[in-house]
Amino acid sequence: GAVVSQHPSRVICKSGTSVKIECRSLDFQATTMFWYRQFPKQSLMLMATSNEGSKATYEQGVEKDKFLINHASLTLSTLTVTSAHPEDSSFYICSAFDNPQQYFGPGTRLTVL
Amino acid sequence: KNQVEQSPQSLIILEGKNCTLQCNYTVSPFSNLRWYKQDTGRGPVSLTIMTFSENTKSNGRYTATLDADTKQSSLHITASQLSDSASYICVVSEKTSYDKVIFGPGTSLSVIP
Repeated sequence: GAVVSQHPSRVICKSGTSVKIECRSLDFQATTMFWYRQFPKQSLMLMATSNEGSKATYEQGVEKDKFLINHASLTLSTLTVTSAHPEDSSFYICSAFDNPQQYFGPGTRLTVL
Repeated sequence: KNQVEQSPQSLIILEGKNCTLQCNYTVSPFSNLRWYKQDTGRGPVSLTIMTFSENTKSNGRYTATLDADTKQSSLHITASQLSDSASYICVVSEKTSYDKVIFGPGTSLSVIP
C-alpha cells in the first residue's frame, strides 16, 4: 500500500529556534497533504491543508506565520515551526490521500525546552 | 454540525477475548468511514474503509460494520492479542472536493494477559 514518511521522527530544540518537519509520499503523488497536531490522549487536530504549488489553507486558530508550510513538489510538504515555544511541544502528523484511502505518516515528536 | 462520536472512551479486556467498539456520526453528505489503529507515539494505520453501500468489511481479526441509515459503525476485534492495545479511531469523510474528514475522539483499548 501507499506509504507516507516523516522526518525527523523526534526532535528536541531550545525555545526560540525553528524546526522543520518533512512529509513525503513515497510511492504516489499528492497534490494535497494535511498536517495534524496531537496532544496526549487526544485525537488528531487538523492544522492546515498543504497544496502543491499554492498557499496552504490554515484551520481557525492556527497561526500561519508560526507554522510555515511549503508544498514544493507532488511528493514533499514541509512544516516549519518558527520560534518554537514549550507549548508547541506536541506530536505532529502529516497525511495524504491516495484515493480513497488516507495515509498517515509515522509522526514527529517535538519537544521544546 | 458534522460530528463523530465513539464509545467506550476506554476499554480493558483480557487477552483472547472479543470486543466491539462503536462509532456514531452525523456527517452529511457521507463519503466513507474508516477505522484506524494508532499505537502510542505512531501515526494511525488504516484497518478498514467502507462506502455507503458496504455493510461489513473484514481485515484479519478486525471486522467493521456500517449502517448508513442509522449512521452507526462498529469495529469488532476477535481473539484479542496484547498487540491490539492501541487507540482506535473512527474517521468519517464528508463528500466535498477533497473529502473533508472528521475524526472521532478514539477508543483506548488495553489488552491484558
